[in-house]
Amino acid sequence: DVKVTQSSRYLVKRTGEKVFLECVQDMDHENMFWYRQDPGLGLRLIYFSYDVKMKEKGDIPEGYSVSREKKERFSLILESASTNQTSMYLCASKAGLSSGNTIYFGEGSWLTVV
Amino acid sequence: GQNIDQPTEMTATEGAIVQINCTYQTSGFNGLFWYQQHAGEAPTFLSYNVLDGLEEKGRFSSFLSRSKGYSYLLLKELQMKDSASYLCAVSGYNTDKLIFGTGTRLQVFP
Repeated sequence: DVKVTQSSRYLVKRTGEKVFLECVQDMDHENMFWYRQDPGLGLRLIYFSYDVKMKEKGDIPEGYSVSREKKERFSLILESASTNQTSMYLCASKAGLSSGNTIYFGEGSWLTVV
Repeated sequence: GQNIDQPTEMTATEGAIVQINCTYQTSGFNGLFWYQQHAGEAPTFLSYNVLDGLEEKGRFSSFLSRSKGYSYLLLKELQMKDSASYLCAVSGYNTDKLIFGTGTRLQVFP
C-alpha cells in the first residue's frame, strides 16, 4: 500500500511565524503535490514537484515556497504565516505519466494561524 | 482556461441510486478521476476514466464522454457510510497536475 505521511496533523501558529509542513512518501513516486482545501473552494494546487530539486507553481503559490531535496520528501514552507493561510493542507504523490495516474493523498494538516 | 463544475450538495435515501455529474473544460485531457472524501479525512481514489464509456467497480460506476466534457459517478444501493464529498478531477495532456472541482457533498438519509 502506498503511504503518504504528513508530519503534523494539527498546528496552531502565530502571524508572522515561519511554518514547515513535511510530507514523506514511500513509493518512490516522481511527482509530489501540495494542495490546500477550503470550504466552497475545493482543492487548489499550491506547488508541485516532478523530480528532486524541481518544482513548478500551481494555481495559488503566493505566500508559499517548497523544497524537494530527496525524492521521498516534499516540504511546504510558509515564510511568514498569515491568517488567510488558515486551512487544511494536503500532500499527495503520484508515479510518472508512464506508470499510472492515480494520485495518493496524505491525511492532511490542519493549520490555524492566529 | 480550466474549469470543472459539479453540484455543491445532493441528498439521497439509503438503498437508492444517485448520479453525481461533472463537466469540465480543460486545455488538453489525459483522464478524469473521482475521489471520495469523508469529513476530516484525506480523499481516497474511486475511479479513473480516460476512454469514453462506463467503468464499473462494485456499487460505484463512472462514465466519461470526452466530446461533451462530461462525466458522472453513479452510486447504487446507497449506504449511510456513502455520506461524503465526491471530488471530480481532471488531468491535462502531458502533465502530472490534477485540477479538482469543488466537490459534491452527498448526504444519505435512512
